[in-house]
Amino acid sequence: ETGVTQSPTHLIKTRGQQVTLRCSSQSGHNTVSWYQQALGQGPQFIFQYYREEENGRGNFPPRFSGLQFPNYSSELNVNALELDDSALYLCASSSILRGGGETQYFGPGTRLLVL
Amino acid sequence: AQSVTQPDIHITVSEGASLELRCNYSYGATPYLFWYVQSPGQGLQLLLKYFSGDTLVQGIKGFEAEFKRSQSSFNLRKPSVHWSDAAEYFCAVEADNNDMRFGAGTRLTVKP
Repeated sequence: ETGVTQSPTHLIKTRGQQVTLRCSSQSGHNTVSWYQQALGQGPQFIFQYYREEENGRGNFPPRFSGLQFPNYSSELNVNALELDDSALYLCASSSILRGGGETQYFGPGTRLLVL
Repeated sequence: AQSVTQPDIHITVSEGASLELRCNYSYGATPYLFWYVQSPGQGLQLLLKYFSGDTLVQGIKGFEAEFKRSQSSFNLRKPSVHWSDAAEYFCAVEADNNDMRFGAGTRLTVKP
């Protein structure tokens, strides 16, 4: 059983650029959630994808968008990058079986620096 | 709105001493509660979770947590800390809309 993987591990962009981060979910999982973790803070929920549809969204602007593919891997896209977007971006996969509380398994994250 | 508060930003304990990390939550219904640990440069690893039933939950690495509805708390404990336990610890509550709300974290330092 493979764990959650993310790519790239590190990334440097400049303000106004666009970025795509990738996540491969754990085998057997059908749900992917994305989080932003600023330095010294806890992760903040961006959104979740279940069976290729958005299944919940946190308080992030529309320039944060995502995709989930038939193999349940996922992308996080951020347009018009701002300095405050500099953070560790975490992906977590899970398997929705009931009403909630499923364990989320986190990847190692992608560290994004916006200059 | 659902929220999680971890009152202690940084805690230092001696190796072999007991540990308690505090977590308070705000949520209208019975919450799903979690504790995660994050080592430097790493993702988050689940230590334990509470859904319902027995209010004392056992986790990995010798950790346990107790859910106290009357105090809206879910404190993490370990009877004897090891140097390898030094890390950042996050309490989280699963809110509506599949939104997992995390606290700001407590950084644990272990003195030899």
